[in-house]
Parts: sequence; structure tokens; C-alpha cells
Amino acid sequence: AQTVTQSQPEMSVQEAETVTLSCTYDTSESDYYLFWYKQPPSRQMILVIRQEAYKQQNATENRFSVNFQKAAKSFSLKISDSQLGDAAMYFCAYRDGNQFYFGTGTSLTVIP
Amino acid sequence: ETGVTQSPTHLIKTRGQQVTLRCSSQSGHNTVSWYQQALGQGPQFIFQYYREEENGRGNFPPRFSGLQFPNYSSELNVNALELDDSALYLCASSTQTSDVLEQYFGPGTRLTVT
Repeated sequence: AQTVTQSQPEMSVQEAETVTLSCTYDTSESDYYLFWYKQPPSRQMILVIRQEAYKQQNATENRFSVNFQKAAKSFSLKISDSQLGDAAMYFCAYRDGNQFYFGTGTSLTVIP
Repeated sequence: ETGVTQSPTHLIKTRGQQVTLRCSSQSGHNTVSWYQQALGQGPQFIFQYYREEENGRGNFPPRFSGLQFPNYSSELNVNALELDDSALYLCASSTQTSDVLEQYFGPGTRLTVT
């Protein structure tokens, strides 16, 4: 079974600084998708960024980028120029067919 | 806002009772997935409905059942509620026409079982 591990339950970052959230996963597949979702205190889960495993280039969305290491099965999220609105739970997710597997989340605090 | 709505927002039930949660998918989406998110945990996949048929199921007992209607809205039914069923229930809509299967989540229903 696929598993997703987020080893950092909590992280904090100074406003305007950069933070990296870690994620590792386990799979025997060669083609798959990985996602980072953000869940603010309002609870609505929002897609931050996605990565197709067949693409070697790391995905980037504005201040958010990933470091995808396929051989190491690692998929970290980098947030640059952190803003107060980035404070939330962040979940890493792996898609297998029509089923998504989520990690346990990292709670990010942004310090003014 | 994603356009996915869920009702009710909060619900309190007693052990042994039955509950129905509802989800309206985003316009144009024909697939709805349901997740259970226990406190401090990530969402766990319950099942998915595509064109009114169950299209995949996670490791949940049969007392968790669902429906999808012709307008692609969906219901999650839980029978014989247990204390451990207390959680945030999320639905997510998507379209099978997209290879990426990007999901859009609703705000969730907080279920408390006493």
C-alpha cells in the first residue's frame, strides 16, 4: 500500500523568509502524481502545487516550488518570501489511480 | 472558494444512530470523493462516485455507504455510529476527463458522536 510520510508536525518561519516542508512516499509505480494541499483554519483544502512523476523538471507556482527526487521518493515544498496568509496545515498527497493518499500534515506558523 | 458545498456544517449524533452528509460538486464535475479527517490526521479516502456508481473504496466498513445523483451531487451515509466516527468529513469533486484528476474540496462537515 502506498504511504505518505510528513516527518515535521510543526514548522515556523519568519515573514519574508523561506521554509521547506518535507514529504516522503512509498510506491512501486513509475508513473504517478504528487500534490501539496493547504488547509487554512477555515478548513477548505486548497491545491498548492502538483508534480507529475514523469517530468524531471520541478514544478513551480509563484512563491511555491517543489524539490522532487524520484529515486529517493522525496517531494519537499519550498515557500519563498513567506507571508502571514501562508499559515496553515500543509498536506502532501500521492495519487494512485482514483485514490489519493495523504500525509499527516505539517502545521506552518508564520512569525511577523 | 472552490464551488463545492457541504451540509450541514456541524452535526452532533449519538452512538448507534445514523447520519447523512451531503455534497454538491463544482459545476462540470462528474466525480465525487469522500474523505474522513480525524483530528490531527490527514484525510483518509472513504470512496469515490463516478456517474452514480461507486468507483473505488478505501479501508472503511460497509456501514459507510454513499450515493451520487444525476446532477452529480452526493451523499455519505454512516450507520450504527461509533465514537471513532467523530471527524471532519470532506468531499472533493473532480472530472474524469482530466488526466491529472485535480480535486476541489468542500469546507467539510464536522461530525461529533457522543
